[in-house]
Amino acid sequence: GAGVSQSPRYKVAKRGQDVALRCDPISGHVSLFWYQQALGQGPEFLTYFQNEAQLDKSGLPSDRFFAERPEGSVSTLKIQRTQQEDSAVYLCASSSLAGGLTDTQYFGPGTRLTVL
Amino acid sequence: AQSVSQHNHHVILSEAASLELGCNYSYGGTVNLFWYVQYPGQHLQLLLKYFSGDPLVKGIKGFEAEFIKSKFSFNLRKPSVQWSDTAEYFCAVNAGGYNKLIFGAGTRLAVHP
Repeated sequence: GAGVSQSPRYKVAKRGQDVALRCDPISGHVSLFWYQQALGQGPEFLTYFQNEAQLDKSGLPSDRFFAERPEGSVSTLKIQRTQQEDSAVYLCASSSLAGGLTDTQYFGPGTRLTVL
Repeated sequence: AQSVSQHNHHVILSEAASLELGCNYSYGGTVNLFWYVQYPGQHLQLLLKYFSGDPLVKGIKGFEAEFIKSKFSFNLRKPSVQWSDTAEYFCAVNAGGYNKLIFGAGTRLAVHP
């Protein structure tokens, strides 16, 4: 497809359940980012991949959050033992270059996670 | 730590009014600056960006922004808004590292016909 796609678009989980969120970046894009957007806030950085390598995971809020991109294309963000504070929109973005400052990130539609 | 401040959380304008949305950032080094827009029901889209050169940047749909380094500001402007500009606007900066973006909290703009 032409843009970044994410699935599912909406996810409702009971507290304590594990969830997996998928991101399909633009074909050929080297860089992939995950952001978390809480209600009424701007997106906050979670983690960054360059191809299959996770080069920055400084934004992951706890060890319950795990991300992977095993073949350098599709990425999955997994949240274990979900908590209510994990409720947010999870955004994926990709860019064509390898982390250069002049690169532009293209965002997907996001997955809205609600933890009950 | 880097941060971005957007001064107005909600702005209401009538069509044809002029728009200026404030954005200030805190970072002492070289920065690249962005404005993203999110129309109702749509994903974040790039409106304009500043990397270097002319500090007055023109983007899509008649928007422009001016980078004032001495004020750490990157305000967004449009001389005459339209109803279709109703959206949420986010200012963002990347500053080193692997190009991660630091976003402001956003400004929700409502334009009335």
